Amino acid sequence: DTAVSQTPKYLVTQMGNDKSIKCEQNLGHDTMYWYKQDSKKFLKIMFSYNNKELIINETVPNRFSPKSPDKAHLNLHINSLELGDSAVYFCASSQVLGGGETQYFGPGTRLLVL
Amino acid sequence: AQSVTQLDSQVPVFEEAPVELRCNYSSSVSVYLFWYVQYPNQGLQLLLKYLSGSTLVKGINGFEAEFNKSQTSFHLRKPSVHISDTAEYFCAVLSGGYNKLIFGAGTRLAVHP
Repeated sequence: DTAVSQTPKYLVTQMGNDKSIKCEQNLGHDTMYWYKQDSKKFLKIMFSYNNKELIINETVPNRFSPKSPDKAHLNLHINSLELGDSAVYFCASSQVLGGGETQYFGPGTRLLVL
Repeated sequence: AQSVTQLDSQVPVFEEAPVELRCNYSSSVSVYLFWYVQYPNQGLQLLLKYLSGSTLVKGINGFEAEFNKSQTSFHLRKPSVHISDTAEYFCAVLSGGYNKLIFGAGTRLAVHP
């Protein structure tokens, strides 16, 4: 029943590890996004995919690699985790590209790097 | 480049009082504006959005916002708040043709009994 879901909800890991976050949407949307929310609650877009094609890639370290196996899924893999990667990562989706379409957000994945 | 400024980081208010959360944007092109709410430990939920047409936009939970082009503002209002409105509120502008949301820093609304 959930529109945009993310797993895991919480992730605690050591510096240097590699981890993945998964996102799935059952809304039939074409476009998916990853946002990062830092400790001060500031939200910034990281990536966007439209029909499995990367269309937005903000100045994110290349340790972060998104992958979209199909339109309903957008995963985020992070290599060599650093302390500064600790944040809440939100997945979102929207129906089409452009036109002011509403973005629907997942519940977030709280990543803590020790 | 487009940007969003939320003028208040925190707004304390008593229950049943009116509230206004302020948002200013900068953009050289037509804008699409949004207000999202984030309850503790949850994702973001759309309150309302302005795309075109009437400058007064009504949203969920009794919230409304007014788009003012001359003042480049999109302030959020509610005539009477409830304890359950305690949350973080984010104003955002849509950038370019790729649906990139540019968020303000957020305003923490704290409703007290």
